[in-house]
Amino acid sequence: DAGITQSPRHKVTETGTPVTLRCHQTENHRYMYWYRQDPGHGLRLIHYSYGVKDTDKGEVSDGYSVSRSKTEDFLLTLESATSSQTSVYFCAISALHPNAEQFFGPGTRLTVL
Amino acid sequence: KNEVEQSPQNLTAQEGEFITINCSYSVGISALHWLQQHPGGGIVSLFMLSSGKKKHGRLIATINIQEKHSSLHITASHPRDSAVYICAVTDEKLTFGTGTRLTIIP
Repeated sequence: DAGITQSPRHKVTETGTPVTLRCHQTENHRYMYWYRQDPGHGLRLIHYSYGVKDTDKGEVSDGYSVSRSKTEDFLLTLESATSSQTSVYFCAISALHPNAEQFFGPGTRLTVL
Repeated sequence: KNEVEQSPQNLTAQEGEFITINCSYSVGISALHWLQQHPGGGIVSLFMLSSGKKKHGRLIATINIQEKHSSLHITASHPRDSAVYICAVTDEKLTFGTGTRLTIIP
């Protein structure tokens, strides 16, 4: 299994609070991705990174920001969480982009009350 | 934006049956992925293909680029195959289908 972890695995928070999710990899892969998964929707890309300090927006980036200061860590921040951001968040990594296998983390279940 | 459609959305079958899950997409792609999501939520990549056919154990994936269609087949299905199977296509980024929930009954 690819070495990819997410923390926390579960979080309950209140509307308006900031939340940061962490993705950590030990594979030294260049590309890292944040997705959200909601019922009735496929996985949707929030942001991705193509290197340290290099990031780009995905299709559902509003309300989210990311940072990558080290190859191994990709952080997703909800500056002011809303109930619509209740979701399961998956981090993924790949060695190449875009035509490469992606390896997924175990997911973080976030509930915003 | 590529539209990815999977069928069926849900599939229940008896152990041992031959399973087919279909995926169609709207715009030309450079590669197609099949993923498996276990009941516990973990996502595993099964195949990435851009032409022809690939086989891994009891799983076979095919793609027809001209018809913009791919199929995932499972031979001799087993209850441990019960999962959600997700199709995703690559143009500049991955676009995912909503998945097919497969349940295999012993």
